[in-house]
Amino acid sequence: ETGVTQSPTHLIKTRGQQVTLRCSSQSGHNTVSWYQQALGQGPQFIFQYYREEENGRGNFPPRFSGLQFPNYSSELNVNALELDDSALYLCASSWEVSNYGYTFGSGTRLTVV
Amino acid sequence: SQKIEQNSEALNIQEGKTATLTCNYTNYSPAYLQWYRQDPGRGPVFLLLIRENEKEKRKERLKVTFDTTLKQSLFHITASQPADSATYLCALLPTTDSWGKLQFGAGTQVVVTP
Repeated sequence: ETGVTQSPTHLIKTRGQQVTLRCSSQSGHNTVSWYQQALGQGPQFIFQYYREEENGRGNFPPRFSGLQFPNYSSELNVNALELDDSALYLCASSWEVSNYGYTFGSGTRLTVV
Repeated sequence: SQKIEQNSEALNIQEGKTATLTCNYTNYSPAYLQWYRQDPGRGPVFLLLIRENEKEKRKERLKVTFDTTLKQSLFHITASQPADSATYLCALLPTTDSWGKLQFGAGTQVVVTP
């Protein structure tokens, strides 16, 4: 059984640019959540996808958007990057909307300069 | 406002002793609470989940308690080892949120010295 895989591991972008981060969920999992973790902080919920539909969103602006594909992999897109978007972006997968623990990937470290 | 608070100061502990971490929350009525471990540059790893109607949960050397009256969870690592050194995060699912929007605390770093 494979875990959650995220790509790329590190990324440097310029303010104003757009970025796409990718996540392959754990085998058998159909729900993907995305979190943003600033240095020294806990992860902050961005949104969740269940069976290709967004079904929950945190306090993030519309320039944060996502997709889930039929194979349950997912993308996080961020437009008009700001310096404050620099963070570790984490993807977590689960079976259904889980009452159990989520499986996290190792994250993508995004630096906006 | 809603808050989840964990000790921001690192917990330094000698090998073999018990580490106890605290998670306090305000203005939540969580359905359950989870604890995760996070190593530097890695994603959180799920450790334990405890539901609102449970008082205590154990897994190997780990123990979690949940007091909904005090709005507090305690996380214990018994017979601690240097390999237990990491940041430990508590997370809860707010009852009003039905779609798995976990809310995390900022975490407490544990350093176990030989």
